[in-house]
This record gives sequence, C-alpha cells and structure tokens, in this order.
Amino acid sequence: DIVMTQGALPNPVPSGESASITCQSSKSLLHSNGKTYLNWYLQRPGQSPQLLIYWMSTRASGVSDRFSGSGSGTDFTLKISSVEAEDVGVYYCQQFLEYPLTFGSGTKLEIK
Amino acid sequence: EVLLQQSGAELVRPGSSVKISCKASGYTFTDYYMHWVKQRPEQGLVWIGRINPANGNTVYAEKFKSKATLTADKSSNTAYMQLSSLTSEDTATYFCTRIDYSYFDYWGQGVMVTVSS
Repeated sequence: DIVMTQGALPNPVPSGESASITCQSSKSLLHSNGKTYLNWYLQRPGQSPQLLIYWMSTRASGVSDRFSGSGSGTDFTLKISSVEAEDVGVYYCQQFLEYPLTFGSGTKLEIK
Repeated sequence: EVLLQQSGAELVRPGSSVKISCKASGYTFTDYYMHWVKQRPEQGLVWIGRINPANGNTVYAEKFKSKATLTADKSSNTAYMQLSSLTSEDTATYFCTRIDYSYFDYWGQGVMVTVSS
C-alpha cells in the first residue's frame, strides 16, 4: 500500500499569515499520462470532507485562490495564503494512483 | 445539484450486521463510481472500497473484504454498504463519496454507527 505521511503545523497560526502543509508519499504518484494523482481535502469541524485540490495543483470549483498545491512525484505542499477563520479544520492528502486508496493522517489547522 | 443523502445514525449490538444507504440525486447514478470511507471518532479517513453502479463491480481494501459488502440499486439510485460481525472497532462515521475521474467531488453527510451492548 502507498503510505501518505503528513507534517504538522505550528498551531495556532495567526490570522492573515500563510500556512504550508506537507505530504509525502511512499511511491511516486506521477502517472504515465503526466498527471500526479494527489488530492487535498479539508474537513471542517462536524462536516464531511470537501475537495480543495486535485491532480496535485488544480483547484476544485469554488475553492478560494488562497489555496495552492505544488510538489514533485513524492513530496507535496498545500499552501494557504492569508489564513482565515473559515480555514479551520483538518487537511488530508490522498493518493489516487492505485488501490487501495490511502489518505494521510491529517493536519489540523487552528487560527489565532 | 448533486446530493448524496445517507441514512440515519445506527445503534447496533456486537456481532450483528447493519446496512446503511446513500441515495444519489442530481446526476446519472450509473455514470460515476461510488466509494465508501470510514472515520473513527477523532481519527483519520480510511478507504473501504468502491462500487460501479452500472454493473455492480466492486473493489475492496484488503482489511474490509470480509467486513463490508457494497451493493447498488439502479432503480432507486441508491448505494448500500452492509457491515457484518460488528465489534467496537466498527464504531465510526461512514461516508459515501462520488468519484469524478480521480478525486472525490461530492460526499454524503456521513452515518454514525455505534456498536454497543
């Protein structure tokens, strides 16, 4: 199975500051078609997860441009510029290269 | 508008089974695979498996092969997951989620299953 390892944030993050969440995969997620099958989700307290970024760097419909994804085949970063109160929650990375699909353990974001 | 409406919370006895549902609306049910994800209290997300509603083909994570059974009813646009031989380890919230190519674009609200005597 592909293991997804997420880093922690130095919580709480001051409102208006930027935050970067790291994710590492145990296998390259770069497919032969040129796409990197790494997704990011946010789960706000008491809610279902919601898609933020897919294919490593493509923002989902309706997602603020304060969110951006980048990386290589195995090392990825989700950057949130100018964090706001509504960004509070747990962020998960997820690989879709192969079954079984796997998620990172989650990174909690708190705002000061 | 795409909606995945899941059934209500369940309180079940150890050793029993439970079947939860996920009713899809706002899109053609058979055009998208449906996946299921488990989340234990205060823990992360774990993928259970997926079903192709068009033909019933399923893929499961190894650890859920004898625990979960996924089915789909095209006539009612509803996906189901049955969990068997329940233990306290199965106490969790279970989400259905639609896949669009290679990402989960819509999620149900989740069903809390509590296993307790």
